[in-house]
Amino acid sequence: AQKVTQAQTEISVVEKEDVTLDCVYETRDTTYYLFWYKQPPSGELVFLIRRNSFDEQNEISGRYSWNFQKSTSSFNFTITASQVVDSAVYFCALIWSSASKIIFGSGTRLSIRP
Amino acid sequence: SQTIHQWPATLVQPVGSPLSLECTVEGTSNPNLYWYRQAAGRGLQLLFYSVGIGQISSEVPQNLSASRPQDRQFILSSKKLLLSDSGFYLCAWSVRKNTEAFFGQGTRLTVV
Repeated sequence: AQKVTQAQTEISVVEKEDVTLDCVYETRDTTYYLFWYKQPPSGELVFLIRRNSFDEQNEISGRYSWNFQKSTSSFNFTITASQVVDSAVYFCALIWSSASKIIFGSGTRLSIRP
Repeated sequence: SQTIHQWPATLVQPVGSPLSLECTVEGTSNPNLYWYRQAAGRGLQLLFYSVGIGQISSEVPQNLSASRPQDRQFILSSKKLLLSDSGFYLCAWSVRKNTEAFFGQGTRLTVV
């Protein structure tokens, strides 16, 4: 079965702390793609990153970094020096090569306290 | 550049009334199109997706239907709304298989 699990329902940290959002996926396909999206209070989903199954290189973009580990089927997202504007719901998502649909995890609500 | 338009932004409808939500994409051709629903405080549930005109795949049997009358138009409908149809409906598109999807601003539907 294809599945995305975000076990952390809610996380609350104080501003400037680092925070990691976990994502574990399941798929039988050897070729697949993983994504992270941000949903601010306005509701629109904002695409953050895509990672292919054959590229395990970690990626850093400013305060954001992503750690992809096929051995543990995880694609975790770390925000360094968090800011209040990072408060949002974050979704991890998966699409596999034999499908045309993207499935999402249940999301993690991140609250950054000033 | 590509843009996606979804309307209306909010909608309050009585139980038993019909529904039509429309989504259009500009700046691309033959996109994959998706309808998702998000119940309050919950994750995203894929309702329908389409890889071409007239091609609709339904993910969850329910009170809704979708149609794609034109290449860049995706419509979500219901003949008779239920209370359980309340939620936040999001339309999305992707340029082809296995790529990221881009979302519209969503429609917040309240069935009363």
